[in-house]
Amino acid sequence: NAGVTQTPKFQVLKTGQSMTLQCAQDMNHEYMSWYRQDPGMGLRLIHYSVGAGITDQGEVPNGYNVSRSTTEDFPLRLLSAAPSQTSVYFCASSYLLPGGAGEQFFGPGTRLTVL
Amino acid sequence: AQKVTQAQTEISVVEKEDVTLDCVYETRDTTYYLFWYKQPPSGELVFLIRRNSFDEQNEISGRYSWNFQKSTSSFNFTITASQVVDSAVYFCALSEANTDKLIFGTGTRLQVFP
Repeated sequence: NAGVTQTPKFQVLKTGQSMTLQCAQDMNHEYMSWYRQDPGMGLRLIHYSVGAGITDQGEVPNGYNVSRSTTEDFPLRLLSAAPSQTSVYFCASSYLLPGGAGEQFFGPGTRLTVL
Repeated sequence: AQKVTQAQTEISVVEKEDVTLDCVYETRDTTYYLFWYKQPPSGELVFLIRRNSFDEQNEISGRYSWNFQKSTSSFNFTITASQVVDSAVYFCALSEANTDKLIFGTGTRLQVFP
């Protein structure tokens, strides 16, 4: 199993450009999520999904869109990049357990710089 | 509101020293889950432990041990006989029942010098 994969690993954008960060998992996990990691702030939840066709906002959703058309894929779209979106982005997935909060498996991250 | 506080921003120790990383959490729920993740210099996030709020038994895994105290809302992590390979950023996280959303602390950077 490849686990959780993310592409690209690095990306530089200009302000106003759009792009999609890709995330895929091959563990048949129902739950998938996107976090951003900024210095001194830990990881913060952007969007999450509990299954194909179901998405919801996390703590910091502004400027990002997601969709979940398949169990395996959960892309994150930046509509109009801003310097404040410079960050490291992590995708994660897990089984949905009764009562919640299963172990989440994280991808290797995408380092995004917006100039 | 949920919150996780890791007051220690950075800790430096010499190899073979024991070190404890503190984690204090806030939640109104009676059912919740606590996690520790390790982020080595390579950047990936490695799961270390998951503990539910009803299980206050301390856990030991090799050189790692965790002390969960509901009375003080703490879930501290101790590394015994630290090694250079333990150098990493360690994150504590909280999730309430019936949700998989993780609330992370700001992390503690541990540097172990030879």
